[in-house]
Amino acid sequence: DQQVKQNSPSLSVQEGRISILNCDYTNSMFDYFLWYKKYPAEGPTFLISISSIKDKNEDGRFTVFLNKSAKHLSLHIVPSQPGDSAVYFCAASGKTSYDKVIFGPGTSLSVIP
Amino acid sequence: DGGITQSPKYLFRKEGQNVTLSCEQNLNHDAMYWYRQDPGQGLRLIYYSQIVNDFQKGDIAEGYSVSREKKESFPLTVTSAQKNPTAFYLCASSIAGGRTYGYTFGSGTRLTVV
Repeated sequence: DQQVKQNSPSLSVQEGRISILNCDYTNSMFDYFLWYKKYPAEGPTFLISISSIKDKNEDGRFTVFLNKSAKHLSLHIVPSQPGDSAVYFCAASGKTSYDKVIFGPGTSLSVIP
Repeated sequence: DGGITQSPKYLFRKEGQNVTLSCEQNLNHDAMYWYRQDPGQGLRLIYYSQIVNDFQKGDIAEGYSVSREKKESFPLTVTSAQKNPTAFYLCASSIAGGRTYGYTFGSGTRLTVV
């Protein structure tokens, strides 16, 4: 049973518009959430993270929102650029620094010029 | 530059053969991980190691083996017992579990059984 779900396998957005990638989780013990970006034939790269004590974290064009009561988080990319076209993985981890990070199945984002 | 190096980039294996995938990091990270990526299934954890000479099974360890004799190196052996080894394999490292600063991933090895 997947503990981290990304229900949209793919998403297409026009360049300059907002991209919203969604993620749901089932384990209430998750305490830390991360987003990774992956290009084909490359390893994922860490993008942004958020602790459960916050509901928003921003880094340039990327903002992650966390709704703990709904066990839902989202990644907003504004404005979207063609170079953002990649697979985005949502990930979650428990309270201790040695907890494993659990990855979702990924959402493939295409930004259309 | 610090990073993780995986080799080879592409690997072909005959049925019944064992193969070893290399993973080396010069980031001075304590923890290292092996993931497998299959289409539509995200990243599944095979093995991980938090410290030298110690490692734990992940979610799909059957048919795989690892060693951690040096902090910099965490090789993965795909044995003949692994029923469906064709996949994209990713090695990662982190400080203290990676929950805060994230994992650093290598560029991956694509293994194909022929």
